[in-house]
Formats: sequence, C-alpha cells, structure tokens
Amino acid sequence: DADVTQTPRNRITKTGKRIMLECSQTKGHDRMYWYRQDPGLGLRLIYYSFDVKDINKGEISDGYSVSRQAQAKFSLSLESAIPNQTALYFCATSVGTGGDQPQHFGDGTRLSIL
Amino acid sequence: DQQVKQNSPSLSVQEGRISILNCDYTNSMFDYFLWYKKYPAEGPTFLISISSIKDKNEDGRFTVFLNKSAKHLSLHIVPSQPGDSAVYFCAASAIGSNYKLTFGKGTLLTVNP
Repeated sequence: DADVTQTPRNRITKTGKRIMLECSQTKGHDRMYWYRQDPGLGLRLIYYSFDVKDINKGEISDGYSVSRQAQAKFSLSLESAIPNQTALYFCATSVGTGGDQPQHFGDGTRLSIL
Repeated sequence: DQQVKQNSPSLSVQEGRISILNCDYTNSMFDYFLWYKKYPAEGPTFLISISSIKDKNEDGRFTVFLNKSAKHLSLHIVPSQPGDSAVYFCAASAIGSNYKLTFGKGTLLTVNP
C-alpha cells in the first residue's frame, strides 16, 4: 500500500460544485501539504499543516479550504469549483523540521472542472 | 516573481552519457535545495538534496553541485539510463519560511537508448 494515498485519483465535475479531495498517510509524519500543478508550471503550495491544530495558508489559498481531521488525514475542499481550478493536485507529508527532510508525495488527483 | 527557475523545459541525451539539469534561484535566504523526479501519473519522488553550506553532494549516479555566488545548482546524472526519463523539479527552502518548498517549473529529461 502507498504511504501517501489520495482519493479520488480522477474527478470531473461542474462549475459551482463543492469538491473534497482526501489525503491519508501511514508514514506517521506530522507535516502535511497540498499543492497544485498546472501544465508547464511547478508545484504551488495551497495549504500546509504542521500538526492537527496548525493550519497555514500557502501561496495560492484563495478558493480553497482544508481540514486536518487527524495526524494521518488532511483534506482539501473547493467550496464552489471554477474552471481555472482544473489542475493536478498533490498531497505531501514530511517528518518535521529540517530543510533536508524531504517531502513524500501521493500520486495526485487529476481534477477537471467543466 | 519566480524564485526558482529551470530555464530548459526539456533535455534529450543518449544512454550512457551525462545528463546535466540546471536550476537558478534568486532568494539568497534559501538554505536547502532538493531535486525531485516525477514519472507520468505518479507523484514527485525525492532524489537528492544539498545544504547551502556545501558545494557538492553525491549519491550513486546522481551528483548535485551548488554555486552560491552564482545562485545556481545543477544535477548531474552519470551514466544516464532510459529509466531516468522523467520530469525533474528543482526545489528550495529556507528556515525563515519553515522550510516550505518553492519549486521550479521542471525539466523533462529524455534518455534515448
């Protein structure tokens, strides 16, 4: 089983719908992150959480919200989806402080908003 | 304002030769630099990192070089193998920003048999 699991892997929905992307991890890491990747662009940070009680906005948080339900679960919501939120979304985890602690990524959720 | 730049969208090399992927950065506060590899339909996977206090880090076929004065780093893969064909992302972090990663746009490496 994957250490960082994202569900669903693919989702097509309509403008205005509420969408939730879920991420669960078995690595026991405290830190969790949500990124989006657009074609030709790198990964951009949406939200991150250093523990269950800590939620922080990233570079592009507008239009998104998150919930850290437990150490192992971090979900991303689009309250009212719009077409320019069509992208590849990645969840990641890391063990804690230290710049040399790499982040571990899930395999992504491809989201299409019509 | 892009703080981490990978100016080559793609690179093609022959199997067995050296692959050199480049990355430039503008933020002098970055403490760590990391390279990730990404295959289609998979998430990025960590490859190698380097601290700003070093100028070289090696792991098997992969070596990362850091030139702080030029704000430039490079990833060398020797010898290149077809399985190395992937998108490579350069990323940087700083203690002042809780080591959040800033990614470049990526370089698609194709290793031809």
